[in-house]
Amino acid sequence: QAVVAQEPSLTVSPGGTVTLTCGSSTGDVSTGHYPAWFQQKPGQAPTTLISETSNKHSRTPARFSGSLLGGTAALTLSGAQPEDEADYYCLLLHSGARVFGGGTKLTVL
Amino acid sequence: EVQVVESGGDLVKSGESLRLSCVGSGFTFTSYSMHWVRQAPGKGLEWVSSISSSSSYIFYADSVKGRFTISRDNAKNSLYLQMNSLRAEDTAIYYCVRSFDYWGRGTLVTVSS
Repeated sequence: QAVVAQEPSLTVSPGGTVTLTCGSSTGDVSTGHYPAWFQQKPGQAPTTLISETSNKHSRTPARFSGSLLGGTAALTLSGAQPEDEADYYCLLLHSGARVFGGGTKLTVL
Repeated sequence: EVQVVESGGDLVKSGESLRLSCVGSGFTFTSYSMHWVRQAPGKGLEWVSSISSSSSYIFYADSVKGRFTISRDNAKNSLYLQMNSLRAEDTAIYYCVRSFDYWGRGTLVTVSS
């Protein structure tokens, strides 16, 4: 199965902007991979932020957005808040199978 | 309110079997694909298996293929994961997920060697 790559860790200043990326070992990520993004805080179940590249969940704060960027799927956080400190996972569809990235630990500092 | 609630997690020995269940409420269960995702202690998320709304399409991760079976009973709004030949590396929290938009709180499976 394909390998999905994410930055292991990123740091953003409060109020700042950061972009997390999600790449595939099979080539460029496209809308056909149905990229999705999830947030997980310590001790909690994951929650869905973005599905199908850029569709926000009803509870997703407006400061989060999803896109395709340079052959990868991207999650952009504009105006980071302390409560955004968490692990972020992307998910890609590969021929029926799903593959998660290894996750990005985002620090707001 | 949309809810998915898992049950069935337990402490079992290597080689034994276990069946997880997930009940959905607050939505039309028959209209959604359902998925199992697991997370080993201190590790990232791992997709396990998916089943389409009518059970026509079923997919498994290579790590569980041949040992795990996903199924659903739409009349009971329920999703299942039959896990056979369990290994220590199957130890994880198992999450039930609706169409990758709503997640359950998870159920813990511990396999002792």
